[in-house]
Amino acid sequence: QKEVEQNSGPLSVPEGAIASLNCTYSDRGSQSFFWYRQYSGKSPELIMSIYSNGDKEDGRFTAQLNKASQYVSLLIRDSQPSDSATYLCAVALTGGGNKLTFGTGTQLKVEL
Amino acid sequence: DAGVTQSPTHLIKTRGQQVTLRCSPISGHKSVSWYQQVLGQGPQFIFQYYEKEERGRGNFPDRFSARQFPNYSSELNVNALLLGDSALYLCASSLSTGAQYEQYFGPGTRLTVT
Repeated sequence: QKEVEQNSGPLSVPEGAIASLNCTYSDRGSQSFFWYRQYSGKSPELIMSIYSNGDKEDGRFTAQLNKASQYVSLLIRDSQPSDSATYLCAVALTGGGNKLTFGTGTQLKVEL
Repeated sequence: DAGVTQSPTHLIKTRGQQVTLRCSPISGHKSVSWYQQVLGQGPQFIFQYYEKEERGRGNFPDRFSARQFPNYSSELNVNALLLGDSALYLCASSLSTGAQYEQYFGPGTRLTVT
């Protein structure tokens, strides 16, 4: 079992729709959860961090965490073509410094 | 404020050679981590340094080494390059070490080994 799992996609959504990206993790010692956006040929860019169960909203982005189900998700409202990228889920363990373990990423395509 | 900077941007090396990659963290950040990202995969953790001390090492061979300087900049060295070392090498900086600290990535160094 992979430590952090994501559906590789591509996930295609029409412009203006809600994109839902999902991530599961295997280690119950995971403490911190991050979503990065990576455009083709570029480096990852941090867009959301979440540490406790529930929802965290930042503009068009909402991160959701459910530690009991070992599940974290990212919702993107009013999706724009500029949101087309690969979204990486990353997890940091308690006591693990801030070493990040990444999933393989989900490719999102927002279609006009 | 300037973000994380890395040099060089691109590098082409031959098998068996050695390479040194450089990273300067965000001003005020004391922790630097290195990651390797191969095409189609998420970044893989190589090293973390904090206050010039190694705080974590990933599952990479001893050909990989790193260090952090008093100004918190860092170098990653890879000896005896293999074709499989071709990847995007990412440096990330954070205020400190600890799972709650966010990490910010530099633009990366793309290494091609021929």
